[in-house]
Amino acid sequence: QKEVEQDPGPLSVPEGAIVSLNCTYSNSAFQYFMWYRQYSRKGPELLMYTYSSGNKEDGRFTAQVDKSSKYISLFIRDSQPSDSATYLCAMSEGAQKLVFGQGTRLTINP
Amino acid sequence: GAVVSQHPSWVICKSGTSVKIECRSLDFQATTMFWYRQFPKQSLMLMATSNEGSKATYEQGVEKDKFLINHASLTLSTLTVTSAHPEDSSFYICSARDSGRGAKNIQYFGAGTRLSVL
Repeated sequence: QKEVEQDPGPLSVPEGAIVSLNCTYSNSAFQYFMWYRQYSRKGPELLMYTYSSGNKEDGRFTAQVDKSSKYISLFIRDSQPSDSATYLCAMSEGAQKLVFGQGTRLTINP
Repeated sequence: GAVVSQHPSWVICKSGTSVKIECRSLDFQATTMFWYRQFPKQSLMLMATSNEGSKATYEQGVEKDKFLINHASLTLSTLTVTSAHPEDSSFYICSARDSGRGAKNIQYFGAGTRLSVL
């Protein structure tokens, strides 16, 4: 079993829809949780960062962390075609190396 | 803020030659930088952790003599692929951890380097 599980998709939704992306993990010591967006042939771009449990909102993006269930989510409201990319969840235990999910390929259809 | 510059973005070389990739943190200091490799439609695979002023720590299965890493300053790390062969063709990405926010373990990524070995 992988330390971080993420459905690779692909996920295709119409423009304007609410998108829900999720990751589950097995290491209860993970404290730092991140979501990165990666366009094709580019490096990952940090979208959201959360420490421990809770919610965080930034514009159209909301990140949720439920440590009791070992489950994190990223919600995208009013999705746009420019949101089409691969979304990677990442997490770490303290200052240890990041552990990434497989990435979910998302397409927003106009 | 939090910009990481990586270049070249694309390099083509002949088999047997060496290629150097640079990773710079432009607006913050990075005691620790990371080098990743990514295959098509796959996630990032950590190759090594680079610490300023000390030897890099390589992940299991990564040849340290083939992938030379130097982190001579708080803003620059380099990866040299020595005697490159076609199987080394891949997308290499660096990241830098902001020393000022080290406890939060936030990594910022470069744009990546596509290496093609003929």
